Amino acid sequence: GAVVSQHPSRVICKSGTSVKIECRSLDFQATTMFWYRQFPKQSLMLMATSNEGSKATYEQGVEKDKFLINHASLTLSTLTVTSAHPEDSSFYICSATSSNRALNQPQHFGDGTRLSIL
Amino acid sequence: AQTVTQSQPEMSVQEAETVTLSCTYDTSESDYYLFWYKQPPSRQMILVIRQEAYKQQNATENRFSVNFQKAAKSFSLKISDSQLGDAAMYFCASGGGADGLTFGKGTHLIIQP
Repeated sequence: GAVVSQHPSRVICKSGTSVKIECRSLDFQATTMFWYRQFPKQSLMLMATSNEGSKATYEQGVEKDKFLINHASLTLSTLTVTSAHPEDSSFYICSATSSNRALNQPQHFGDGTRLSIL
Repeated sequence: AQTVTQSQPEMSVQEAETVTLSCTYDTSESDYYLFWYKQPPSRQMILVIRQEAYKQQNATENRFSVNFQKAAKSFSLKISDSQLGDAAMYFCASGGGADGLTFGKGTHLIIQP
């Protein structure tokens, strides 16, 4: 149980295009989803937190107009990288949890998306 | 605000030996969880072990155990009987619940056959 599916796993596109990444909880309702970014040989950095039906909360330094997050249902959150540029190339990974307050509910990670902007 | 520090960029251990990975943290939360995640080359995030700050007993999962020193804000991971499949990046993290996780910079664990 507690499977999170992330799609696509790999995307290569030209500079200036927008890219949408989906994160789905397959067998549980995800009240909260998180988006992380990981540059090569670095750690995961939290970008934003999204709760179903409300606006995402972005971490300091993350451009909300650049990284659009939508969490329209309890099983789906999307991250859209708008007008992507080479510096946006990174590994993006989502996680989901079934409770927005209970600390003992673990986060379940997707397998990540490797984004390469040419 | 939370910070997590892993001071060992790389560790090497002989197969079947024991290795300890260090982690220190700082947090303003009164209740929190601490985690160790394994990230193999596939880049999947695999939960190794977690510890609730209120519990004094150190968590154990088979060959993996932690040494949680709350006053010192230390949370080290001990891997016993190291196996080749344990080779990976290991990240220490704090947080949980409605809060995203704060990760350390990671320790690259090498297992020597």
